Amino acid sequence: NAGVTQTPKFQVLKTGQSMTLQCAQDMNHEYMSWYRQDPGMGLRLIHYSVGAGITDQGEVPNGYNVSRSTTEDFPLRLLSAAPSQTSVYFCASRIQENTDTQYFGPGTRLTVL
Amino acid sequence: GEDVEQSLFLSVREGDSSVINCTYTDSSSTYLYWYKQEPGAGLQLLTYIFSNMDMKQDQRLTVLLNKKDKHLSLRIADTQTGDSAIYFCAESVYGGSQGNLIFGKGTKLSVKP
Repeated sequence: NAGVTQTPKFQVLKTGQSMTLQCAQDMNHEYMSWYRQDPGMGLRLIHYSVGAGITDQGEVPNGYNVSRSTTEDFPLRLLSAAPSQTSVYFCASRIQENTDTQYFGPGTRLTVL
Repeated sequence: GEDVEQSLFLSVREGDSSVINCTYTDSSSTYLYWYKQEPGAGLQLLTYIFSNMDMKQDQRLTVLLNKKDKHLSLRIADTQTGDSAIYFCAESVYGGSQGNLIFGKGTKLSVKP
């Protein structure tokens, strides 16, 4: 298994541009989520999904959209990037909610100028 | 709301034991986790403990849980320079669709030779 994969690893955007951060897992996990990590802030939950076709907001959802059309993929979309969205983004998955092991992807480092 | 607190820095000498502490607020937490993040990398699950346990040992790692005080600690025996990283405490709160992880801000462990 490749585990949780994320692309791209690095991205630089200009304010107002849009882009999609890709996340995929090949472990048939139902539960997937997106976090952002900022210095001194730990990880904060953006959006999550408990299964294909179901998404919900986390702690900091504003400025981000998600969709879950398949079990494997959980893309994160920035419709109009802002400098405040400069961060490192981590995708994670686990078998189902409230179980033990959550697997993290390697992260995407995004800079918005 | 839920909150997880950690000290931000810890410095030890190689060969000594490291103890990283964490406090949490939600008494309904089911699992408590320790993640390790090396520079430029994603999060690696080190160990976890179920909330009905007091202690868990895994090779050089010992996790102690004091439910009364809502205090969690990670002890690393015989700390090595390769243990230098940021360590995140996280709790998983049971209930509904909110089986998400609440992270602390991370403790940066520096190991001096």
